[in-house]
Amino acid sequence: DTGVSQDPRHKITKRGQNVTFRCDPISEHNRLYWYRQTLGQGPEFLTYFQNEAQLEKSRLLSDRFSAERPKGSFSTLEIQRTEQGDSAMYLCASSLVSRTAIDGYTFGSGTRLTVV
Amino acid sequence: RKEVEQDPGPFNVPEGATVAFNCTYSNSASQSFFWYRQDCRKEPKLLMSVYSSGNEDGRFTAQLNRASQYISLLIRDSKLSDSATYLCVVISNTGKLIFGQGTTLQVKP
Repeated sequence: DTGVSQDPRHKITKRGQNVTFRCDPISEHNRLYWYRQTLGQGPEFLTYFQNEAQLEKSRLLSDRFSAERPKGSFSTLEIQRTEQGDSAMYLCASSLVSRTAIDGYTFGSGTRLTVV
Repeated sequence: RKEVEQDPGPFNVPEGATVAFNCTYSNSASQSFFWYRQDCRKEPKLLMSVYSSGNEDGRFTAQLNRASQYISLLIRDSKLSDSATYLCVVISNTGKLIFGQGTTLQVKP
């Protein structure tokens, strides 16, 4: 396990279809984050998990978006009824959180979604 | 107002030039700050942390001004390989990374 893995790397889908992305964090990391990045912008926070608990969700995460991390390891991000505005790079990151520090934020290579 | 603001640029500089980027943040309680580098169509990668006393890593110097709530990154003797987008990042009180828009640097021969 050398880093954060995301699958697929690219996804092209028709408007209205559902898509699901997967993220495998660094194994010893207990926190997992999802971000979305559009062209010319920095990554925008969507949600994060500590172990299996989803602790925070952005207002950007509409009802069509859902994320899970059922066993506190990998996570999935699902977008239902995709819209063209969902086209973006979806980035996953993980980190190790202790009582005193947060360390080791590492990003995956991202999943680039294109909705046509 | 965005929580972290940067001038998107682009900054076009010749090789060997010194270039500086600034970033402002809105939450005065923020404690941890970073600069990330992002190459085109790649994921962000940590460039350096920013400490209150300022820190240097080779040609890169980061400074934090808590009173004015801004962070700076100075790149000396720019190389062609420095061309990238530089993202200012603040950690929120819940531990998530908050990114600025990014500043694009293009170093020309």
